[in-house]
Amino acid sequence: GESVGLHLPTLSVQEGDNSIINCAYSNSASDYFIWYKQESGKGPQFIIDIRSNMDKRQGQRVTVLLNKTVKHLSLQIAATQPGDSAVYFCAEKGAGGTSYGKLTFGQGTILTVHP
Amino acid sequence: DGGITQSPKYLFRKEGQNVTLSCEQNLNHDAMYWYRQDPGQGLRLIYYSQIVNDFQKGDIAEGYSVSREKKESFPLTVTSAQKNPTAFYLCASSILGPGHTEAFFGQGTRLTVV
Repeated sequence: GESVGLHLPTLSVQEGDNSIINCAYSNSASDYFIWYKQESGKGPQFIIDIRSNMDKRQGQRVTVLLNKTVKHLSLQIAATQPGDSAVYFCAEKGAGGTSYGKLTFGQGTILTVHP
Repeated sequence: DGGITQSPKYLFRKEGQNVTLSCEQNLNHDAMYWYRQDPGQGLRLIYYSQIVNDFQKGDIAEGYSVSREKKESFPLTVTSAQKNPTAFYLCASSILGPGHTEAFFGQGTRLTVV
């Protein structure tokens, strides 16, 4: 359903701390789960993805965890920097049929990193 | 340069008018998408297209229309039936196929009804 009227949750951290951003997803049939970063006034940028048959994937300073039992996805950012301040969105990519390639975004989280 | 281009960056529409937002990509991507973003909120899928001459409704297609006559182009028309069209509109494209998850976004069009 629509989320009109809902505003994004926020997370404030100190520079150098680790950040954990969470997301609940709804479609168990999604093939991939993806994290995007959106800076003010710009389009989202890809950070990292995880396939539905995995439970953990690491990138540079980022780790994504997938818990299919409770339909939960998290993004961990190590040693958070002021440049990490942005809105973070999780997304699901459809697996087949007319949903093949369908990219649906979840609710975002505003991350603010204080120097 | 390869990329995805949206135009115009800012668009003003009078009530009752239809307007068309342009989206062009030279990445040779199969899939293209349109999203709407309201202030302080997430991205909601309007329409997406997996192949030329075919497209699927997203979660909020009412009041919008699209076409996909060429692989590189996916224009969005905001019709007078869309009751509250003021928003930030984002177009994206991606490769379709196993392992391809990254979508590339344009810089967006900010539409305001005056």
